[in-house]
Amino acid sequence: GAVVSQHPSRVICKSGTSVKIECRSLDFQATTMFWYRQFPKQSLMLMATSNEGSKATYEQGVEKDKFLINHASLTLSTLTVTSAHPEDSSFYICSARDWTRGDQPQHFGDGTRLSIL
Amino acid sequence: DQQVKQNSPSLSVQEGRISILNCDYTNSMFDYFLWYKKYPAEGPTFLISISSIKDKNEDGRFTVFLNKSAKHLSLHIVPSQPGDSAVYFCAASADQGAQKLVFGQGTRLTINP
Repeated sequence: GAVVSQHPSRVICKSGTSVKIECRSLDFQATTMFWYRQFPKQSLMLMATSNEGSKATYEQGVEKDKFLINHASLTLSTLTVTSAHPEDSSFYICSARDWTRGDQPQHFGDGTRLSIL
Repeated sequence: DQQVKQNSPSLSVQEGRISILNCDYTNSMFDYFLWYKKYPAEGPTFLISISSIKDKNEDGRFTVFLNKSAKHLSLHIVPSQPGDSAVYFCAASADQGAQKLVFGQGTRLTINP
C-alpha cells in the first residue's frame, strides 16, 4: 500500500533555530502533499497544501514566511519552521494522496514532534 | 468554528462488544467522510470512508453509518479487540476527499480485556 515517510520524528532545539521537516511518498508520486499541525488533545489542523513545482497554498492564519514549504519533486515536500519559538512546539504531520488511484484516501506520515526550548 | 465534532473524548468498551464512535458536522457541503486511527507517536492510519451518496459502508469489523439529515456519522467496531485501542479521528471533505480534510478532535478508545 501507499507509504508516506516523514523525517525527523523528533526535534528538540533552541529558540531561534530553523527546523526542516521532510515528507516523502515512497511508492507513488504525489503532486500534492498536505501539512498538518496538532496541538495536545486537539484535532489535526491543515496548515498548507504543497504543490509540486508551484507555490504552496496556506490556510488562513498560517504565516507563509514562518512556515516555508518546498515541493521540488513528485516524491518530496519539505516544511521549514523558520526562527522557531516555543509557541511553535507542536506535532507536525504530512500527508499525500496517490492521484493515479482515485479511490485512495490521504495517507499520513508518522509525524514530527517539535520542541522548542 | 469546529466544523467536525467528536463530543466524546474517550470511550471504554469490553473486549468482544461493539464500539460505537460518533461524529457530528456542521458544513452541509461536506460530501466525503473518513475515519482514521492513530497510535501514539504515529501518524493517522486510514480505516474506512463513506461518500455522501451512501448511508452505510462496511469493511470487515468496521462499519460507518452516515445520517445526512442529522449531519451525523458513526463508526461501529464489532467485535472490539484490544488492538483497537487508539485515538479515532473522523474527517470530512467537501471535494470527495481529494484535498482539504477537516478533522474532529478525536476519541480515545480503550478496549478492556
